[in-house]
Amino acid sequence: GNSVTQMEGPVTLSEEAFLTINCTYTATGYPSLFWYVQYPGEGLQLLLKATKADDKGSNKGFEATYRKETTSFHLEKGSVQVSDSAVYFCALSRISGNTGKLIFGQGTTLQVKP
Amino acid sequence: EPEVTQTPSHQVTQMGQEVILRCVPISNHLYFYWYRQILGQKVEFLVSFYNNEISEKSEIFDDQFSVERPDGSNFTLKIRSTKLEDSAMYFCASSDRGRLEGYTFGSGTRLTVV
Repeated sequence: GNSVTQMEGPVTLSEEAFLTINCTYTATGYPSLFWYVQYPGEGLQLLLKATKADDKGSNKGFEATYRKETTSFHLEKGSVQVSDSAVYFCALSRISGNTGKLIFGQGTTLQVKP
Repeated sequence: EPEVTQTPSHQVTQMGQEVILRCVPISNHLYFYWYRQILGQKVEFLVSFYNNEISEKSEIFDDQFSVERPDGSNFTLKIRSTKLEDSAMYFCASSDRGRLEGYTFGSGTRLTVV
């Protein structure tokens, strides 16, 4: 079946530290891959996406590369800020008929301390 | 930027009661979704809706659940007889393309069944 596995949290970093949140997936076919972010008290916001192998998604200093050979889509940022504190969800898309759906990982909480 | 609006933000209901969660998708979007997130767990797909009918539903979406687009602007999720295990955050989403290119989530309704 299709599934997404993320590293366990919480991840606690000091400001300006390097961030990696691991994400691996299992899927049939070639799904699109996404990172969503959920700030406290808010909904899910699309952070970045990649639609095919070797694509790199990037936004707000975050990056992730679609690695088909390792079935991974790790999220990275070179220098985190306190404002990056949130829950990060890796997800893949499955297309079904006219619509698609997202399959999410369990989420990783990031806490950035000043 | 256009938003998906969900009301109420928090609803408390007695077990066995019916609840209706409301969503106003982005006006030119044609594809609509409900997801839920039980506290501390992953975000799960419930149902997708296109052209006034359900496109796909998960095994969670049993006979107690129904969706409706009653007036061309609202998109509702009804739970007929709530159970304690229905307590969760429910997210509505809409898209202008079925393949998740423009997928926007609302900020969610927290449902507490007591």
